[in-house]
Amino acid sequence: NAGVTQTPKFQVLKTGQSMTLQCAQDMNHNSMYWYRQDPGMGLRLIYYSASEGTTDKGEVPNGYNVSRLNKREFSLRLESAAPSQTSVYFCASSTGQVQETQYFGPGTRLLVL
Amino acid sequence: KNQVEQSPQSLIILEGKNCTLQCNYTVSPFSNLRWYKQDTGRGPVSLTIMTFSENTKSNGRYTATLDADTKQSSLHITASQLSDSASYICVVRPTGGGNKLTFGTGTQLKVEL
Repeated sequence: NAGVTQTPKFQVLKTGQSMTLQCAQDMNHNSMYWYRQDPGMGLRLIYYSASEGTTDKGEVPNGYNVSRLNKREFSLRLESAAPSQTSVYFCASSTGQVQETQYFGPGTRLLVL
Repeated sequence: KNQVEQSPQSLIILEGKNCTLQCNYTVSPFSNLRWYKQDTGRGPVSLTIMTFSENTKSNGRYTATLDADTKQSSLHITASQLSDSASYICVVRPTGGGNKLTFGTGTQLKVEL
């Protein structure tokens, strides 16, 4: 099992460009999440999907959109990238139960110039 | 605002030595507290999980403790190895918070020869 995979690993964008970060999990998990990690700050939740067909905003959703394409895949889209969105983005998945473990992908490093 | 603060921010120890990392939180009530290990360039991986009623949990050379009265947790690493070099993140799950976790900023540990 690959666990949680993310593509691309690294991306450079110019301000105003758009892109989609892809995430897939093969653990048959119900819930999926997108986080960003910035220096000196804890991981912050951007959006999550508690189950297939549902999505909800997290702590820092502005400037992002998500799509839960199916149970396996959860994508994050930046419509018009800004330098403030330079960050490392992590996708995670879990069963959705109370004492769940969230399993993280390897991350996507995004640089917006 | 619910917060999770960790100390020290960074730590350097010699291989074979023990160390203890601290986590203070204001999240209340909470359902569980988890320690994650994050290797450089990788996603976080869960080490231990404790519910509010548990005092200690071990995973090999890693032992986590929890004092719910003082809202403190610690992670003790015994006989450190070079592979322990990583960031260690304390994560608290609020009761009724659904899928939303509160992440600390992490302690960066470096183990040297």
